[in-house]
Amino acid sequence: DAGVIQSPRHEVTEMGQEVTLRCKPISGHDYLFWYRQTMMRGLELLIYFNNNVPIDDSGMPEDRFSAKMPNASFSTLKIQPSEPRDSAVYFCASSWGSSGGSYNEQFFGPGTRLTVL
Amino acid sequence: GQNIDQPTEMTATEGAIVQINCTYQTSGFNGLFWYQQHAGEAPTFLSYNVLDGLEEKGRFSSFLSRSKGYSYLLLKELQMKDSASYLCAVIDSNYQLIWGAGTKLIIKP
Repeated sequence: DAGVIQSPRHEVTEMGQEVTLRCKPISGHDYLFWYRQTMMRGLELLIYFNNNVPIDDSGMPEDRFSAKMPNASFSTLKIQPSEPRDSAVYFCASSWGSSGGSYNEQFFGPGTRLTVL
Repeated sequence: GQNIDQPTEMTATEGAIVQINCTYQTSGFNGLFWYQQHAGEAPTFLSYNVLDGLEEKGRFSSFLSRSKGYSYLLLKELQMKDSASYLCAVIDSNYQLIWGAGTKLIIKP
């Protein structure tokens, strides 16, 4: 398997523009996670899906952020409008579930480095 | 509130042993992960503990004490490539994954 795939790897945009980040999880994994990482705040969970359904979006910073998972092999994270403080590395990760509703180790994609000018 | 504490930075010598501690206060517990993250790369899985005790995997071992809310990652025979950040993460009773800020480990020759 190719692992978790994310695109683009780098994105530079101007404040106010819409940004869409894409993720293809590992085939067979039923959990998908979106994270944001900055030096100041570390790794933050934004939202996660189980079987394409959003389970917990409490980490989404505000209404400017939205995430979708239309099928088991694709997810998007959209920021509209983008702001300079959104600059960070955004990781997508996937996992398979275990009994009791928990999940196993997460496999991370290479990340998207977003810069908002 | 939920909290995970790790030292911000540690320094060790090549060939030596280092122990990275993690203490947590979470609403319930369903497991603890350790991940390694090299600079500019994604985190990669190292270990998972759900029961008390020591889990050994090659040069790396992870220990858990649920009653003390404490875990450590033990790295033996340190190599320069072990220079990285080490992240502790806990699954709470709501199956939320709470991440620590990570410990940056610097290995010196």
